[in-house]
Amino acid sequence: NAGVMQNPRHLVRRRGQEARLRCSPMKGHSHVYWYRQLPEEGLKFMVYLQKENIIDESGMPKERFSAEFPKEGPSILRIQQVVRGDSAAYFCASSPGQVNSGNTIYFGEGSWLTVV
Amino acid sequence: TQLLEQSPQFLSIQEGENLTVYCNSSSVFSSLQWYRQEPGEGPVLLVTVVTGGEVKKLKRLTFQFGDARKDSSLHITAAQPGDTGLYLCAGAVLTGGGNKLTFGTGTQLKVEL
Repeated sequence: NAGVMQNPRHLVRRRGQEARLRCSPMKGHSHVYWYRQLPEEGLKFMVYLQKENIIDESGMPKERFSAEFPKEGPSILRIQQVVRGDSAAYFCASSPGQVNSGNTIYFGEGSWLTVV
Repeated sequence: TQLLEQSPQFLSIQEGENLTVYCNSSSVFSSLQWYRQEPGEGPVLLVTVVTGGEVKKLKRLTFQFGDARKDSSLHITAAQPGDTGLYLCAGAVLTGGGNKLTFGTGTQLKVEL
């Protein structure tokens, strides 16, 4: 999937544990997005980040979820105290510039979180 | 309310048939992208359309962006079993939508021998 690297691909957590999902964008891309796909549902936007900045977090649940994209290293989506409803596929995507300027977003292969 | 409506939601056809998938909205998009997603994988980009009225062809797939940039269609000619998958349209809303893609509801296509 065009070089966006996500890990882990599959993650199992017990209720109450923390989940950390990592994403390395395509080379040269400084815009990162996280989407969530619940079973039998479409892709829902969670958060949009540029290096060291959260630009739009309108899709993030108010509690337990956080995201960062540090100056060095991958973007991290962190879910604290996971519950069964957090079980989903989490996709990271990146772009070289703003989508509204016609730039294309490329997706990673996803991280499948299962909460038991 | 879904910003981007795709139709049909499910489509099962025989190999060799033609089909069209529609993506409609009341919002204007600065660009629209089509993806295909296989089970257990991420969405794979098929095409990006930017200009109203634009038509792009990718082998047997033809993509059209509406003149008003509110809708798009994907036409597949002589479908093959390898075309089976979930087809997603996604648009960047021109104003007030932020710099992100909003996804359609998806069309699940199955092409049988």
